[in-house]
Amino acid sequence: DSGVTQTPKHLITATGQRVTLRCSPRSGDLSVYWYQQSLDQGLQFLIQYYNGEERAKGNILERFSAQQFPDLHSELNLSSLELGDSALYFCASSVNRGLAIGNEQFFGPGTRLTVL
Amino acid sequence: KNEVEQSPQNLTAQEGEFITINCSYSVGISALHWLQQHPGGGIVSLFMLSSGKKKHGRLIATINIQEKHSSLHITASHPRDSAVDICAVEGVPKLIFGTGTRLQVFP
Repeated sequence: DSGVTQTPKHLITATGQRVTLRCSPRSGDLSVYWYQQSLDQGLQFLIQYYNGEERAKGNILERFSAQQFPDLHSELNLSSLELGDSALYFCASSVNRGLAIGNEQFFGPGTRLTVL
Repeated sequence: KNEVEQSPQNLTAQEGEFITINCSYSVGISALHWLQQHPGGGIVSLFMLSSGKKKHGRLIATINIQEKHSSLHITASHPRDSAVDICAVEGVPKLIFGTGTRLQVFP
């Protein structure tokens, strides 16, 4: 158990809908990362938050957005869902002191999203 | 060409064999991560290294910054090592992932 929790575990929805994925980082970790793992693209970095502020953006679509709340949990919002959004979405957390890099990341169990 | 290349893509071994998985990258990095993903989907961090060599039990990871290359070694492999091992390089500050090496160890 990494200490990172994600809900829900599974989500089945229809095209055009909007869903919210939730992540609670390990106690004390300030950084939260979101990743997408699809069959054709592999693992891809979406976005990182550090202590409530967006720190880095990767291959995140405009239909997707995220935020990190004062209690450090994070939510990833996916809207106008398409079939191709079906994937495993992982959240990870790290201590990430300030601008320091090279921090071990601890992954949550993932949310499997199926868009029908 | 992918920024992170792993080889082999698939690897089959008999229990007890010594296994090596290679990772080459083409970008500047601050650290390299080795991750393991089991059939259930969960991802575990095995190593994070920026120079030299690290060892955890039967697992050893090395990195050569000048050659932009890292290796993951598994000594005395066991069926429970069966998983996908993924190399990821850390830029500033995002991770770029390799496509993974699917390892199967048979008794």
